[in-house]
Amino acid sequence: EVQLVQSGAEVKKPGESLRISCKGSGYSFTSYWISWVRQMPGKGLEWMGRIDPSDSYTNYSPSFQGHVTISADKSISTAYLQWSSLKASDTAMYYCARHFVGFGSYYFDYWGQGTLVTVSS
Amino acid sequence: QSALTQPASVSGSPGQSITISCTGTSSDVGGYNYVSWYQQHPGKAPKLMIYDVSNRPSGVSNRFSGSKSGNTASLTISGLQAEDEADYYCSSYTSSSTPVFGGGTKLTVL
Repeated sequence: EVQLVQSGAEVKKPGESLRISCKGSGYSFTSYWISWVRQMPGKGLEWMGRIDPSDSYTNYSPSFQGHVTISADKSISTAYLQWSSLKASDTAMYYCARHFVGFGSYYFDYWGQGTLVTVSS
Repeated sequence: QSALTQPASVSGSPGQSITISCTGTSSDVGGYNYVSWYQQHPGKAPKLMIYDVSNRPSGVSNRFSGSKSGNTASLTISGLQAEDEADYYCSSYTSSSTPVFGGGTKLTVL
């Protein structure tokens, strides 16, 4: 069974750093990209960026480029999303999703349960 | 990349059919057959319902169907059930080689 299990909820102060994780299981972790998606309170889904765990190549939405860093450790089938200096506006639910690309297809087929990040002084 | 345009809300009675539209441009929806649809119940993660315009993943009810005409994709749910009440999001590949989501549509089953 394919599963993406994310790390738990975080409460941070503005200016602090943070790294959240997404561990894949039940499939070959290096065969699929992992994307990160933000959902601010009461709002819609926003694609942030993605990583190819096989070579750690990343691609970011212009809206998030420079504000977050996506990485992966294929030895432990885990992808990460990190901030060096959080802002209150980073308060949101963050989802990782397996990003299927290829053979004439492009979609997010499995999703993590979400990690709620709250940034407040 | 601007978000795809979806109606904020749609509603229907049990047993009826509803259609949710997703409008983009020739640089996204109209240019590629890579439109997907996601269902999200409150407090839950999104779930893939339709991929590549009209394909249903294993386990998704055949009451859900997708189509596309020009720059507009559509999700149709037939035989509405109470459990279909949720938020629905479309997504498309874009000419920037990145995906974009729609703003989301809240489906209410009356």
